[in-house]
Formats: sequence, structure tokens, C-alpha cells
Amino acid sequence: SQQGEEDPQALSIQEGENATMNCSYKTSINNLQWYRQNSGRGLVHLILIRSNEREKHSGRLRVTLDTSKKSSSLLITASRAADTASYFCATPPSGGYQKVTFGTGTKLQVIP
Amino acid sequence: DGGITQSPKYLFRKEGQNVTLSCEQNLNHDAMYWYRQDPGQGLRLIYYSQIVNDFQKGDIAEGYSVSREKKESFPLTVTSAQKNPTAFYLCASSIFADGGTEAFFGQGTRLTVV
Repeated sequence: SQQGEEDPQALSIQEGENATMNCSYKTSINNLQWYRQNSGRGLVHLILIRSNEREKHSGRLRVTLDTSKKSSSLLITASRAADTASYFCATPPSGGYQKVTFGTGTKLQVIP
Repeated sequence: DGGITQSPKYLFRKEGQNVTLSCEQNLNHDAMYWYRQDPGQGLRLIYYSQIVNDFQKGDIAEGYSVSREKKESFPLTVTSAQKNPTAFYLCASSIFADGGTEAFFGQGTRLTVV
């Protein structure tokens, strides 16, 4: 199974600032997915970017994908205290059935 | 409302007991998954199922068992063979098991050995 690796492990910013977190992976992918997990809760899907896409937006979220570098970044603009959570990337490998696995995530703290 | 439901939210197990965690989805998804999350850790895959009556071991299947008798249900049994079962357990589902679409997660079950 392939696991994405998020970086940094932890990030602390002031409300209103932008937050950027990164994901790296090792083998070719079908798509890359970002999820958010609030403390003690399940994961919530944020955005999915396919391997033939380079950038995708959803509200205050901007995701980029660089398949040549096997990396992705998630940018949260104008952060809010409610954005405080852990963020995970999932990287399903391409080529037939594969199971999705998750890395250790980036823990984001937004200070009011 | 469509979604995925885990129960109970909290579960306490005595040493040597088997316990079963429930996971039900009404999203008509073929694929279902069980993950374990330890404090400050990522998610580790226990078992997954692509279709009814079929399931495969994940990365940490030892001490766990599952069944998939109905499309909407994928219960996980934590057996006495699992030596360190205290953890947060998450169930998920997706339309298909190919990773081509997003996964939907339940709210989790926190299991504690007492």
C-alpha cells in the first residue's frame, strides 16, 4: 500500500493568516485526496485532485499537484479558528484496485 | 440522511474479552474499510471489503476479524488475541475500492481496555 507523508507535522498560525501544508508520495497515483479530522472525530473529505490536474480550488482551499515531484500542497487562505484540525492526504496508486492508506497528518492550530 | 454510522461511540473491554464494533452505511457503497488510529499517529488499515461476502487483510489484521454479509454492514470484532486494542477505530466507505473517489468516514469508536 502507498502512504502519503504530510509536512510539517505541526503548524501554528494566527487567525487570518494563510496555512500551507505539503504531501509527498512515492509511486504513481490516480488522484490525491485531502481530508480534515477534528479532534476525536472522523475524517471529512475536503478535495480530490486527479493526476492530470495541476491546481484545484474549493472555497478558501487551494490544492496543487506536481506529479513530476510526487508532491501536493494544500493552502488554506484567511484561516479561522474553526480550521484547527489535523489534515491528511491520501494517495491511491494508479493501475487497478488498490487500497487507500493515510499518513500521520499535519496538525494545524489557528490562534484567535 | 445518507451517511455512515459507527456504534458505540465509547466501548470498554475487559482483558480476554471479544468485542464487536458496528459500522453501517446507507450510501450504497461497495467498498468498506476499518482503520485504527493511535494518539498522534496516522490511520492504519485493518481490513477492507470490496464487495459483499469478500474482505481482505490490511496492514494490521492480526487479532481482528470482520464479516460482510450485507452491503450496508461491516462489523469489526476485536478478539482477545489483540494484545493492545486501546485505540480509536474508524470505519469508512467508498463507491468502489479503486481509490478513484473520496471515502466517507464514521465518527469513530473509542475502545479502552479496563
